[in-house]
Amino acid sequence: EAGVAQSPRYKIIEKRQSVAFWCNPISGHATLYWYQQILGQGPKLLIQFQNNGVVDDSQLPKDRFSAERLKGVDSTLKIQPAKLEDSAVYLCASRRRQGPQETQYFGPGTRLLVL
Amino acid sequence: QQPVQSPQAVILREGEDAVINCSSSKALYSVHWYRQKHGEAPVFLMILLKGGEQKGHEKISASFNEKKQQSSLYLTASQLSYSGTYFCGTESDSSNTGKLIFGQGTTLQVKP
Repeated sequence: EAGVAQSPRYKIIEKRQSVAFWCNPISGHATLYWYQQILGQGPKLLIQFQNNGVVDDSQLPKDRFSAERLKGVDSTLKIQPAKLEDSAVYLCASRRRQGPQETQYFGPGTRLLVL
Repeated sequence: QQPVQSPQAVILREGEDAVINCSSSKALYSVHWYRQKHGEAPVFLMILLKGGEQKGHEKISASFNEKKQQSSLYLTASQLSYSGTYFCGTESDSSNTGKLIFGQGTTLQVKP
């Protein structure tokens, strides 16, 4: 079974520029998550999708971050405009369904550096 | 509320044992343990459910103390491959939306 795919793996931009990340979850996984992981910290949830609907975006800085999952499969996360403090690894994870014994599986992440 | 992990860092020799704790101030439904190596994605180790039994995977096992809202990860006879940062992710929503809040991580270094 193929894992969670993300691209690009690395991105360097200047502040005030825009950037987009792409995620393709494990086939059949209904739930998709975007996390921000700042160096030395645990992943912090930005947004959670169930199929193509948003379940939780309470921690998403909506003035600059946006995300979509139009067909309920792959997803994009966008930052516009980027700030220096957005430098982090952006992780995508997916989960098959709700229920006990179900966990999240992470992609390799996109490492963003904002100069 | 972010769970608190302790210790923050551990250095071991091969063959030694370690315990990593994860404590929450909220009533927990489940605890998920992950290991992350530098520059890589977190890898799932095991999940502990409220009311469930202690889990084990080779020489790595975990327990869940519901009274204390605490989970402990036990690494026995550590190997070089155990090096990395260990995160616990806690789920306190009994509706099981799958939202996890991660601790700050415990860095484990195993030396030959």
